[in-house]
Amino acid sequence: AQSVSQHNHHVILSEAASLELGCNYSYGGTVNLFWYVQYPGQHLQLLLKYFSGDPLVKGIKGFEAEFIKSKFSFNLRKPSVQWSDTAEYFCAVNGGGSQGNLIFGKGTKLSVKP
Amino acid sequence: NAGVTQTPKFQVLKTGQSMTLQCAQDMNHNSMYWYRQDPGMGLRLIYYSASEGTTDKGEVPNGYNVSRLNKREFSLRLESAAPSQTSVYFCASGVGDRSYNEQFFGPGTRLTVL
Repeated sequence: AQSVSQHNHHVILSEAASLELGCNYSYGGTVNLFWYVQYPGQHLQLLLKYFSGDPLVKGIKGFEAEFIKSKFSFNLRKPSVQWSDTAEYFCAVNGGGSQGNLIFGKGTKLSVKP
Repeated sequence: NAGVTQTPKFQVLKTGQSMTLQCAQDMNHNSMYWYRQDPGMGLRLIYYSASEGTTDKGEVPNGYNVSRLNKREFSLRLESAAPSQTSVYFCASGVGDRSYNEQFFGPGTRLTVL
């Protein structure tokens, strides 16, 4: 069965620090990869997605992620975080499911100190 | 476009009571999903509907039933609520076929079972 691991449960950064959130998945076939963000009290919104092509994907709000197939990884990065990036971030994988079901990681809570 | 809407936003039930969570989407998507979100667990799929007239179990279906009323609406029913069903419930609808499934989420229903 597929699984998604997010390495950090809670990350605390100061504004302007660089961010990297880890995500690893277990599935050997073709995958589609997603990062979703959930701001406090809100629903999930798509940050970025990878289907094929350039493994470096750029999303909204200055986020990017790199798909490294050999490492089964899809890490999320941002060069300089802002207080408004405080949120929970979820990595999700869609691969081989019967109807395109997403498998979510457990999430990483990011707190940015002003 | 309202996207994905859910009602109610909040609900408190007593053990053994029943209720139905409503979800509707206006994006003409074929697939719809119900997830529950619990702290430290990420999102787990309860049921999904690949198209109007079909429903299938997800990872955690016990204690729930669903109805795909038409293409727009997908409801989740708790027949006899239990404290373990205290959670935030998210409905989502999906774009594309089984390989390409970006999902759009509703605002959630926060359910407490006493």
